[in-house]
Amino acid sequence: EPEVTQTPSHQVTQMGQEVILRCVPISNHLYFYWYRQILGQKVEFLVSFYNNEISEKSEIFDDQFSVERPDGSNFTLKIRSTKLEDSAMYFCASSEVSAGDYYGYTFGSGTRLTVV
Amino acid sequence: GEDVEQSLFLSVREGDSSVINCTYTDSSSTYLYWYKQEPGAGLQLLTYIFSNMDMKQDQRLTVLLNKKDKHLSLRIADTQTGDSAIYFCAGPLRGSQGNLIFGKGTKLSVKP
Repeated sequence: EPEVTQTPSHQVTQMGQEVILRCVPISNHLYFYWYRQILGQKVEFLVSFYNNEISEKSEIFDDQFSVERPDGSNFTLKIRSTKLEDSAMYFCASSEVSAGDYYGYTFGSGTRLTVV
Repeated sequence: GEDVEQSLFLSVREGDSSVINCTYTDSSSTYLYWYKQEPGAGLQLLTYIFSNMDMKQDQRLTVLLNKKDKHLSLRIADTQTGDSAIYFCAGPLRGSQGNLIFGKGTKLSVKP
């Protein structure tokens, strides 16, 4: 079964450093997403991406965050200057069509980001 | 704002039925989803229900939707130790193109 692949599975970074989280969505999917889950909290939407541009973003997704699809397969989330509160599990997801249909999303297994 | 609430823990014995409950605030959701997260793994779509349905059955899984009370439940029949995981209820945010609202997740523990 097709999978969404995320790397690395765990990343530790110093506060103020830039991090790039990588994702390879399912090849025929057109919509890509990043979500995060702070330990003990809900899974929260960060951003959706379609046709090489951001289609929607949440309040969490401020100027410190950016997304990119640098080639035909990768989808990345960059955090420019990490803060302690950015420590969370970050999930990438992709879908064939946009939200609201029964396909749901296919999620990757997540990258656990720890900012120290 | 829109919200999805779930109880945090459920413990059952192997072979019993498990019922995981969820309440939501947005009545315009077209689909509601149940996701499963096993330790160290991602969020796996378990099942979904369309908002014009009251019930959906898929092998050991039964989803019940009470639109009047905005209540969604997931019943797992003959629960196995392999069902131990965190179960998330989720639905699309109204008017959104990608924002799924998740509950906090219910941790199901299955005792042999």
